[in-house]
Amino acid sequence: GDSVTQTKGPVTLSEGTSLTVNCSYETKQYPTLFWYVQYPGEGPQLLFKVPKANEKGSNRGFEATYDKGTTSFHLQKASVQESDSAVYYCVLAPSSNTNKVVFGTGTRLQVLP
Amino acid sequence: DTTVKQNPRYKLARVGKPVNLICSQTMNHDTMYWYQKKPNQAPKLLLFYYDKILNREADTFEKFQSSRPNNSFCSLYIGSAGLEYSAMYLCASSSDWGGSYEQYFGPGTRLTVL
Repeated sequence: GDSVTQTKGPVTLSEGTSLTVNCSYETKQYPTLFWYVQYPGEGPQLLFKVPKANEKGSNRGFEATYDKGTTSFHLQKASVQESDSAVYYCVLAPSSNTNKVVFGTGTRLQVLP
Repeated sequence: DTTVKQNPRYKLARVGKPVNLICSQTMNHDTMYWYQKKPNQAPKLLLFYYDKILNREADTFEKFQSSRPNNSFCSLYIGSAGLEYSAMYLCASSSDWGGSYEQYFGPGTRLTVL
């Protein structure tokens, strides 16, 4: 079946350091991949999505490349800020023919000033 | 306005009692979802409405009911709460059919069953 595996948190970083959150997926279909971010007290919100293999998505300094060869979609940011402290979810939409999406378990990031 | 609202934000329920959670959106979205989120687990899709058609996941089919009286509102109903229902319940909406569309989430309702 369809699945998503991502870095198990929590991840604690100092401001200005780099971030990588690993995400691997499994599906036999042609998925759209997403990163959602959830700030304290709020629901998840879209960070960005990538509908096509071998393309990159980015937003707010975060980026990820949809790598079909390695079935990965790792989230990276060169220099994190305290305001990036949140939970990050890697999400798989297996195809456009279903409304069911598959979430990873989330990675909690804490950035220390 | 891209806000999805959920009421109440916190709900305390007794074992065996019914629970009704409410979600609303004013974006005229066709699809509305309910997820259950427990600590250290991924959000789990419970059901969704596309327009007036309800789709429930097979493994939670008998545990949750829902209604959508109009495009803006959607409820999640638990007939008899058990301890295992304690969780965060997230409502979301999207503009059309298909998982490739962005979902807009509400802040969630934290349900505690005692």
